[in-house]
Amino acid sequence: QVQLQQWGAGLVKPSETLSLTCGVLGGSFSGYFWTWIRQSPGKGLEWIGETNHRGNTNYSPSLGSRVTISVDTSKNQFSLILHSVTVADTAVYYCARVTPLCGSVGCYDFAYWGHGAPVTVSS
Amino acid sequence: DIQMTQSPSSLSASVGDRVTITCRASQSISNYLNWYQQKPGKAPDLLIFGASSLHVGVPSRFTGSGSGTDFTLTISSLQPADFATYYCQQGFRTPYTFGRGTKLEIK
Repeated sequence: QVQLQQWGAGLVKPSETLSLTCGVLGGSFSGYFWTWIRQSPGKGLEWIGETNHRGNTNYSPSLGSRVTISVDTSKNQFSLILHSVTVADTAVYYCARVTPLCGSVGCYDFAYWGHGAPVTVSS
Repeated sequence: DIQMTQSPSSLSASVGDRVTITCRASQSISNYLNWYQQKPGKAPDLLIFGASSLHVGVPSRFTGSGSGTDFTLTISSLQPADFATYYCQQGFRTPYTFGRGTKLEIK
């Protein structure tokens, strides 16, 4: 059974850096992409970006150069860094696993999620 | 970005009812469409992938259909556990995008 456990600071000051990490237990780490998604009342569910085990990344253009997703294959973990945060970055942040194909077992879907980490940006 | 438009945004129904939720993509996404159920305080759960394939463990009362730009999620006979918010998501191209959700409430 695949489990994703996430952790990181829940309160970040404006203009500072948000940092979250997600650990993967069970299943294959190298066979998938790993993603960050956030959810806020104003913007709904928003895809942030993804990485694979080689460190190949894709990011949402809306976040531009503020976001970095990194991977540590020795620990089966991946991390989110978001620079220069504002109150608009307040959200529940989820990590999830991406099925990297469209076929009989999935279709670029998010079948496994972390429990979610509420992050508030406030001074 | 591909825009996903869901309707209705909310829906009231009774146990045993048949309900349908629609999702429209701003451009053709073939069958790269997934549906999720979310309950308060929880992460979304995958229901259907590839427009019509049931994720493991999902009851057969959930069905998905559609291709191209128009998709539907149907719940054939509502059960108490089905009252939740439902989201569609396109996996055709990054950035992956979601609909704004349909909140299914008890009448």
